[in-house]
Formats: sequence, structure tokens, C-alpha cells
Amino acid sequence: QKEVEQDPGPLSVPEGAIVSLNCTYSNSAFQYFMWYRQYSRKGPELLMYTYSSGNKEDGRFTAQVDKSSKYISLFIRDSQPSDSATYLCAMSASDYKLSFGAGTTVTVRA
Amino acid sequence: SQTIHQWPATLVQPVGSPLSLECTVEGTSNPNLYWYRQAAGRGLQLLFYSVGIGQISSEVPQNLSASRPQDRQFILSSKKLLLSDSGFYLCAWEASGGAKNIQYFGAGTRLSVL
Repeated sequence: QKEVEQDPGPLSVPEGAIVSLNCTYSNSAFQYFMWYRQYSRKGPELLMYTYSSGNKEDGRFTAQVDKSSKYISLFIRDSQPSDSATYLCAMSASDYKLSFGAGTTVTVRA
Repeated sequence: SQTIHQWPATLVQPVGSPLSLECTVEGTSNPNLYWYRQAAGRGLQLLFYSVGIGQISSEVPQNLSASRPQDRQFILSSKKLLLSDSGFYLCAWEASGGAKNIQYFGAGTRLSVL
């Protein structure tokens, strides 16, 4: 079993739809949670960072962490074609090491 | 502001040839530095990390090595490339003593070994 599981998709939605992405994990020591966005042939860029459980909102993006269920989510409201990318979840305990999901490829159709 | 540079962006090398990929960070001191390899559909695999000059930790035994000759310079090397070394290589930095575990990535190097 992988430490972090992420549905690879692909996910295709019409412009304006809500995109819902999620990851599950097995390591109960994880307490730092991140979402990265990666455009084709580019490096990942940090989108959201959350410490411990709870919700965090930034513009059209909302990140949720449920540590009791070992489940994290990212929601993109009013999706735009520019949101078309691969989204990677990442998480860590108190050390240096990030564990990544495999990434979900999202296409927003105009 | 901090920036991270990786070069080259694309590299095609024959099997058995040497490799040197360079990563530099600007605008910060004593960063933690990381090398990852990304395979299609498989996420990021940590190869090496460094918390200071000359301090290198290897995560996966392989045909590659890393060095940190200066505070903000991180180099990934190989003496003889294998076909299996093909992939997308990413360098990342993290502020030491800053917000926990936030890593910032470079644009990556796409390596094709033929």
C-alpha cells in the first residue's frame, strides 16, 4: 500500500464547474499538508499549505484536512481553462521528507 | 524574493556518458536543498537532500550522486548514465527554520538517455 493515494484521473470538467480533488494517506504522523499545481513540462508550484486539520481558503481554492479519516481535499470553484494542470498532494510529519501523491490531471473545457 | 534556477531545461545524452545538472537558489541563505525525479503518473521520488555545504543524504541507492559545493548550489551528477536514468529532474529548496516543510521547486530538467 502506498503511503499517499491519489486518483490519477484524468478529470475533465466544463468551465465554471467545481473541481474536487482528494488524497488519502496511511501515516497518522503527517501533520503538514500541501497542494501543488504543475503545468505540463514545468516544475510544481505551491498552491495551498495547511497545518493539522481544518479548512483553508484562498480565492477560488479551498483545502480541507480531515486527520481522523486521513483524507485531504482541494476544491476549485468557478474553474477556468487556466486551471488545467496536474495537481499533486504532498504531506509530511515533523521531518524534512515530503510524501507525494501521483497527481491528478485536470482539464477545464472552455 | 527567492528564486531557484535549474539548467539545462532539456538534455539528451547517450548511455554511458556523464551527467551534471545544476541548481542555484537566490535570495535566501542556508536553504535545505532537494533533488527529485518525477516519472509519469508516479509522483515525485526524493533522490538527495542537503542541509548545508558538503552535507548530502541519499534516499535511494542508484547511479547518481549529489554535491553541494556552495551554500546555494546543488549539483546532480552521474559518471555513466543508464537508460533508466531518463526522467524529469526537479530541484527544490526549503527555508531552514521557516514554515515547516514548504518546498519550492525549479522548472526542472527533462533528461533523455538514448
